[in-house]
Amino acid sequence: GAVVSQHPSRVICKSGTSVKIECRSLDFQATTMFWYRQFPKQSLMLMATSNEGSKATYEQGVEKDKFLINHASLTLSTLTVTSAHPEDSSFYICSAGTGIETQYFGPGTRLLVL
Amino acid sequence: GNSVTQMEGPVTLSEEAFLTINCTYTATGYPSLFWYVQYPGEGLQLLLKATKADDKGSNKGFEATYRKETTSFHLEKGSVQVSDSAVYFCALSDMETSYDKVIFGPGTSLSVIP
Repeated sequence: GAVVSQHPSRVICKSGTSVKIECRSLDFQATTMFWYRQFPKQSLMLMATSNEGSKATYEQGVEKDKFLINHASLTLSTLTVTSAHPEDSSFYICSAGTGIETQYFGPGTRLLVL
Repeated sequence: GNSVTQMEGPVTLSEEAFLTINCTYTATGYPSLFWYVQYPGEGLQLLLKATKADDKGSNKGFEATYRKETTSFHLEKGSVQVSDSAVYFCALSDMETSYDKVIFGPGTSLSVIP
């Protein structure tokens, strides 16, 4: 089946620094990718929809200047957490697909901000 | 707006017990319904899906029937195994109002003991 990878799988950074997370569809092209955030023992919260070649669509309450999303190609989307703070520590998951029934999830990236 | 509600966990069962995880939804359109599973340390995987009323999704011994009259999509398995221990997420996607966007329930943690 289709594979979505994320890099890095985990990252620790200092408060105030920026962190970039990559999401790649390895064997298919994805016109749309999604970024989710998952808090411990909680559900996935959709942060934004990333469309190749256009600006991302952010969900209500998500700061677009803090969570920068770039969908540079049909196989790569990046999420940059700018000026990270401890409250940004979380598990970030991306998904990719060309339709509802073919959406595949990455393994997630655990971010810890000290 | 669209939303998904699941029974709260954690759920602990003995091996070979019958499993039911309740899920109800609210949607303005005609959603597709999904169950996703997240095994410890892994990413989300699609377990089963149903795209219209009265459809039954099934996979790996799990079943769920799309009940429009009760707006429910309960997950069932006749005999659980230790390897079924995971977090289960009920989800929906409503093409009419939010194409490709998946809304997740809070998740239900299942532990199966030998």
